[in-house]
Amino acid sequence: QVQLVQSGAEVKKPGASVKVSCKASGYTFTSYGISWVRQAPGQGLEWMGWISAYNGNTNYAQKLQGRVTMTTDTSTSTAYMELRSLRSDDTAVYYCARDSGNIAAADTIDYWGQGTLVTVSS
Amino acid sequence: EIVLTQSPATLSLSPGERATLSCRASQSVSSYLAWYQQKPGQAPRLLIYDASNRATGIPARFSGSGSGTDFTLTISSLEPEDFAVYYCQQRSNWPPEVTFGPGTKVDIK
Repeated sequence: QVQLVQSGAEVKKPGASVKVSCKASGYTFTSYGISWVRQAPGQGLEWMGWISAYNGNTNYAQKLQGRVTMTTDTSTSTAYMELRSLRSDDTAVYYCARDSGNIAAADTIDYWGQGTLVTVSS
Repeated sequence: EIVLTQSPATLSLSPGERATLSCRASQSVSSYLAWYQQKPGQAPRLLIYDASNRATGIPARFSGSGSGTDFTLTISSLEPEDFAVYYCQQRSNWPPEVTFGPGTKVDIK
């Protein structure tokens, strides 16, 4: 069965960086992409970006351009999301999710990881 | 950026009743519209993709319709486990982006 297992909760100070991992299993990793979605406490879902596990192409949400980097390691079927220059309003649960888009852009997001809480506080 | 608007914000219904949720896009998204269900403390779950296709394992009481800018998620007869928040989501190839609607909460009347 498809599983996406994310790294554990993080507490960071403003200005720091965080890197969240997402290990995939139960499917051919390079046949799909990975989208990252975050959810601030009590708020809705915000798409952060997408990466193809096939060719490494990325698309990032405009508001996060320059602060976010998404990568994959196909040897371990793991995706990573790094967010830099953290602010208090980056406090959220961060989800990775399997995306059927694997060439140029995001497509259908189907299976989700369990979420990683990132807290930004001084 | 394509903006999605969902209505109503909250829908108060009883088990067994029919739920009709609306999602409107600021410009045409063709049929590239999905619906997700989220319960407290859980990750979202894909219900419908490409406007009207049920995802694997989703009960037949969930159905989606629409194209262009107006979409509807219908739950034909609410089960106790259906009380949750529902999000619509669109994807576009240019600019390559994904956006979610603000959500509709379906709660018990």
